[in-house]
Amino acid sequence: EAGVAQSPRYKIIEKRQSVAFWCNPISGHATLYWYQQILGQGPKLLIQFQNNGVVDDSQLPKDRFSAERLKGVDSTLKIQPAKLEDSAVYLCASSSRTAHRGYTFGSGTRLTVV
Amino acid sequence: DQQVKQNSPSLSVQEGRISILNCDYTNSMFDYFLWYKKYPAEGPTFLISISSIKDKNEDGRFTVFLNKSAKHLSLHIVPSQPGDSAVYFCAASATGNQFYFGTGTSLTVIP
Repeated sequence: EAGVAQSPRYKIIEKRQSVAFWCNPISGHATLYWYQQILGQGPKLLIQFQNNGVVDDSQLPKDRFSAERLKGVDSTLKIQPAKLEDSAVYLCASSSRTAHRGYTFGSGTRLTVV
Repeated sequence: DQQVKQNSPSLSVQEGRISILNCDYTNSMFDYFLWYKKYPAEGPTFLISISSIKDKNEDGRFTVFLNKSAKHLSLHIVPSQPGDSAVYFCAASATGNQFYFGTGTSLTVIP
């Protein structure tokens, strides 16, 4: 089966600019996650979707971050405006059931804010 | 608040020997644990899991041990191979909720 697709792989932007990331999960996976991994840290959940509904966005900085999953398939994560501390790898993952048995991660988007 | 901790940032092991990676957690509600392996420029890949109803789970060269009283789990790789060189993350969740990840341990297996 095809894996989780993410684009772009790399992005460099200046602070205060906006940026968007795209994720296409594994076909049939109802649950989609966006994680932020800052260098030297473990992945941190930003938002979890079940189909096209939000299950958990408690750690999403909603003043600057937004995410949507229209039609319950692919998803976009947006940052506007970006800050230096947003520099990280943004990982998308999907699973066929909520949480357990592990997720399948995409390769991530490495964002550098300068 | 780091609920899952991996206190060893790095580990080096000779090929053929045992690699032991450790993970501690603080939340007693955690009941499911995963280990992920991550190569550079790739996303983490699922390696092995364990439920809190067990204290050991084995899959080929990989074994995970869970000590609930100590809130500690470990991943044993026997024998270690150069291809095992990667960053290993442990993750924990309480049923139905999100997984919390540790900061990772970089394993280097020396040929």
